[in-house]
Amino acid sequence: EAGVVQSPRYKIIEKKQPVAFWCNPISGHNTLYWYLQNLGQGPELLIRYENEEAVDDSQLPKDRFSAERLKGVDSTLKIQPAELGDSAVYLCASSLAGTTLDNEQFFGPGTRLTVL
Amino acid sequence: GIQVEQSPPDLILQEGANSTLRCNFSDSVNNLQWFHQNPWGQLINLFYIPSGTKQNGRLSATTVATERYSLLYISSSQTTDSGVYFCAVDSGAGSYQLTFGKGTKLSVIP
Repeated sequence: EAGVVQSPRYKIIEKKQPVAFWCNPISGHNTLYWYLQNLGQGPELLIRYENEEAVDDSQLPKDRFSAERLKGVDSTLKIQPAELGDSAVYLCASSLAGTTLDNEQFFGPGTRLTVL
Repeated sequence: GIQVEQSPPDLILQEGANSTLRCNFSDSVNNLQWFHQNPWGQLINLFYIPSGTKQNGRLSATTVATERYSLLYISSSQTTDSGVYFCAVDSGAGSYQLTFGKGTKLSVIP
């Protein structure tokens, strides 16, 4: 069974440019998460989807970040415009469902973003 | 929100040695996971263990939910065990987000 797939693995852009990250969750997983990991820290949640609905986006900086999960499968996270402080690893995770019993989360390899 | 503390922050082991990593959390949890982040950044699931004890090869984990801590045991360590070990918890209450500790960086030397 394929794991969580993310692309690209690495991205280098100049500040003020837009950037997008793509995630394909494990087949059958209804819940999808985007996390941000800064160097030397644990990941922090940006947004959680239940199917196509964003049910927790309280930690997403909405002035420059946006996300979508059309058709409840793949998801895209966008930053426009990027700032120097956005340099980090962006991780996608999925779980069967966002309930107590089915919440074991599995992570993709991440996209390492460098903003120059 | 819930607080997660891991100890020790850094650990250096000789190959073949055993170790215990600790995770303390500040509130009751519905989900607790241990991950190994390898040098390439991939988070690998080790255990899904909100309570009880589990074993997988040289690794085992115990969570004592009533006392709000979890332990990860690594026996007969190998160089491939090097990396950062994260404990993450989900306190439920409709959140279902994992709150991560800062990790334990393990270096196993030959």
